[in-house]
Amino acid sequence: EVQLVQSGAEVKKPGESLKISCKASGYSFTTYWIGWVRQMPGKGLEWMGNIYPGDSDTRYSPSFQGQVTISADKSISTAFLQWSSLKASDTAMYHCARLRRTVAGTLFFDYWGQGTLVTVSS
Amino acid sequence: DIQMTQSPSSLSASVGDRVTITCRASRGISNNLAWFQQKPGKAPKSLIYAASTLQSGVPSKFSGSGSGTDFTLTIGSLQPEDFATYYCQQYNSYPYTFGQGTKLEIK
Repeated sequence: EVQLVQSGAEVKKPGESLKISCKASGYSFTTYWIGWVRQMPGKGLEWMGNIYPGDSDTRYSPSFQGQVTISADKSISTAFLQWSSLKASDTAMYHCARLRRTVAGTLFFDYWGQGTLVTVSS
Repeated sequence: DIQMTQSPSSLSASVGDRVTITCRASRGISNNLAWFQQKPGKAPKSLIYAASTLQSGVPSKFSGSGSGTDFTLTIGSLQPEDFATYYCQQYNSYPYTFGQGTKLEIK
């Protein structure tokens, strides 16, 4: 059974750093892309970026490029999303999701993690 | 970026009704469109990919259609568990973009 289990809720202060995780099981971690999606309170879904754990190829949304870092550790089948200096506007739920490749080479989300709530407040 | 516009933004319906949600892309995306269902406080659930292919385990009362710029999600015979927010998303090109969501409420 495919599962993506995300790390627990975090409460941080502005300027602090943070790394949240998404642990995969039930499939070959290195052969599927993983994506991250932000959902601000009461708002819709925003794609942040994807990573291919097999070779760490990473694609970012221009809106998030330079604001976050996406990484993966093959040895523990885990993808990460990190911030070096959080802002109050980073307060949101963050979802990871697996991506499947179509015959044409495009990627679509299939399985999702449960979400990690990040609260940034002084 | 490709803009995805859903209509309506909200919809009231009764148990047993059939409803249709529309999603329009600002330029052609072939059939690289997915639909998701999200309930309050929960992660999104993948319903449909390739515009019309049901994800594994999704009941056949959900159906999708369209290609190019215009797409629809139809839900037949609404049950209480179907009342949720629905999103479309294009994955034809980066950056991936989502529609703003359609909140389906019980009348």
